[in-house]
Amino acid sequence: LAKTTQPISMDSYEGQEVNITCSHNNIATNDYITWYQQFPSQGPRFIIQGYKTKVTNEVASLFIPADRKSSTLSLPRVSLSDTAVYYCLSRRAGNNRKLIWGLGTSLAVNP
Amino acid sequence: DAGVTQSPTHLIKTRGQQVTLRCSPKSGHDTVSWYQQALGQGPQFIFQYYEEEERQRGNFPDRFSGHQFPNYSSELNVNALLLGDSALYLCASSRGSDRGYEQYFGPGTRLTVT
Repeated sequence: LAKTTQPISMDSYEGQEVNITCSHNNIATNDYITWYQQFPSQGPRFIIQGYKTKVTNEVASLFIPADRKSSTLSLPRVSLSDTAVYYCLSRRAGNNRKLIWGLGTSLAVNP
Repeated sequence: DAGVTQSPTHLIKTRGQQVTLRCSPKSGHDTVSWYQQALGQGPQFIFQYYEEEERQRGNFPDRFSGHQFPNYSSELNVNALLLGDSALYLCASSRGSDRGYEQYFGPGTRLTVT
């Protein structure tokens, strides 16, 4: 059974780099891995997505190894406003290619 | 350019009643997905609509149904409400042609069933 797992919570301090890793076994070979950010009482917000190797945008970087069984979201120099829940998303391999959301990582950035 | 809008913002219903939630997608998007998010949990996929048809469905009973209109807006209907249906219902829109999952979410509708 396809499963997506990520740490329940993480703590960091302003200015630090934060890396959140998601494990996703048995994902579809041709689909992207996507990360979302969610603040309380708001809908999730798209951060970044990638297929393999490394992707970088103005907000974050995403590292995906060759076997694609995991991915790491990297947030450079976090600030207090980065305190949120972060979800990784992938699609299950096989005929029933449903989207699988992780349970989310609650990131707390301290001053 | 308006993003994804949902209505109503909050709703209180009684067990056994029926509810309809509405969603207007972001301009240029043709695909609408609905999610249920219980407090402290991740979003659970309900179903997705594209070209006015249900394209994919999660593990939700038939009490949950939906519709997409020609202008791409969508409705989520829940019949015979249960206490466990209390949650934040999120609508997300995207372009059906995209291979990835860059979805734009609305603010959600908070449904409370008493």
